[in-house]
Amino acid sequence: AQKVTQAQTEISVVEKEDVTLDCVYETRDTTYYLFWYKQPPSGELVFLIRRNSFDEQNEISGRYSWNFQKSTSSFNFTITASQVVDSAVYFCALSENSGYSTLTFGKGTMLLVSP
Amino acid sequence: GAVVSQHPSWVICKSGTSVKIECRSLDFQATTMFWYRQFPKQSLMLMATSNEGSKATYEQGVEKDKFLINHASLTLSTLTVTSAHPEDSSFYICSARPGTALSRGGKLFFGSGTQLSVL
Repeated sequence: AQKVTQAQTEISVVEKEDVTLDCVYETRDTTYYLFWYKQPPSGELVFLIRRNSFDEQNEISGRYSWNFQKSTSSFNFTITASQVVDSAVYFCALSENSGYSTLTFGKGTMLLVSP
Repeated sequence: GAVVSQHPSWVICKSGTSVKIECRSLDFQATTMFWYRQFPKQSLMLMATSNEGSKATYEQGVEKDKFLINHASLTLSTLTVTSAHPEDSSFYICSARPGTALSRGGKLFFGSGTQLSVL
């Protein structure tokens, strides 16, 4: 069975600080996909990234970066120079095979960035 | 980008009434749509997988007769909460997948959610 663990329930930082959100996953599949979604207070889910299990290259997109470590089954998300608009709940998710199957979500990490 | 429209955004209803939530993919065809439920400060829990033209597949513990799902077309899935009770109050979110898993980066597109409050 698949499982996604986001151990950090809530994180509070001050604007401009860097913050890392942890994600640890469990799966027996050799092919799987990992996702990060952002859920702002309005409720919708915003797609941030999709990474397949064969691509361990770290990725950077603006202030966002992701560190995929297969050896530790982790897919951590770092926000550099955080901003108030980054305040949201962030979900890590796992999907097996080609991505046709459903997502298993972590419990989410609430990030609060204060001015 | 791809858009999934979910309506209504919020609904308040009396106990015993039925509530219908719509999920539409606006610029792509979605052979599969998913319905999730989210309790306050908790993760998204998959309720059911909706396949166009066939019966929905429900997750264990989800009552099929209470949460009726209809996926009548490639762009519309509906979730009807029948005989709603206060314990059904929750945030419901749908998601839709384009026909090809590898299209659009393999993303799942989510609706904006519906906050249901049953009095």
